[in-house]
Amino acid sequence: DAGVIQSPRHEVTEMGQEVTLRCKPISGHNSLFWYRQTMMRGLELLIYFNNNVPIDDSGMPEDRFSAKMPNASFSTLKIQPSEPRDSAVYFCASGRWGANQPQHFGDGTRLSIL
Amino acid sequence: QKEVEQDPGPLSVPEGAIVSLNCTYSNSAFQYFMWYRQYSRKGPELLMYTYSSGNKEDGRFTAQVDKSSKYISLFIRDSQPSDSATYLCAMNYGGSQGNLIFGKGTKLSVKP
Repeated sequence: DAGVIQSPRHEVTEMGQEVTLRCKPISGHNSLFWYRQTMMRGLELLIYFNNNVPIDDSGMPEDRFSAKMPNASFSTLKIQPSEPRDSAVYFCASGRWGANQPQHFGDGTRLSIL
Repeated sequence: QKEVEQDPGPLSVPEGAIVSLNCTYSNSAFQYFMWYRQYSRKGPELLMYTYSSGNKEDGRFTAQVDKSSKYISLFIRDSQPSDSATYLCAMNYGGSQGNLIFGKGTKLSVKP
């Protein structure tokens, strides 16, 4: 079975550019999570969706960040305009809704903003 | 105080050693406790999960939860070089919410 698929795997861009990260969750999963991982702050939840509806976006750091889930098989995380402090590894995870349900992570997008 | 504290290590042990990894937390409302393993340049993968207090064993891995002390542990017996990874604890409040609070992770290296 295919796992969570993220693209691109690596992204290097200049400050001020728009960045779009993409995620395809595992088929049949109805919850989707976006995380950011840095050495300083560890793994932080940015936003999560249930049945394509955003439930909690309190982790989104600034208005420059936005996320959408137009259907059950696709989600995007957009940063506009990007800044060097946005450099991190961004993970998408999916799972079935519920506190005891495991989250399955993609291999992440390594983002560098110059 | 952060909600979940975890010693970042690094922790280096010889092959065959027993490894103990730990997390402390501050919020007594946490109900579900998980351990994820993350290999370099990969996403975290679920290793173990427990509900409330107690022990859970799966092969060489044992997870312990002590809610009275707000302390959770992961033990790895007969550690192997393939266990070299970063181990992250995670927990959530239960109910219908699925959002996890993660520790920063402990980097483990098992030397052959």
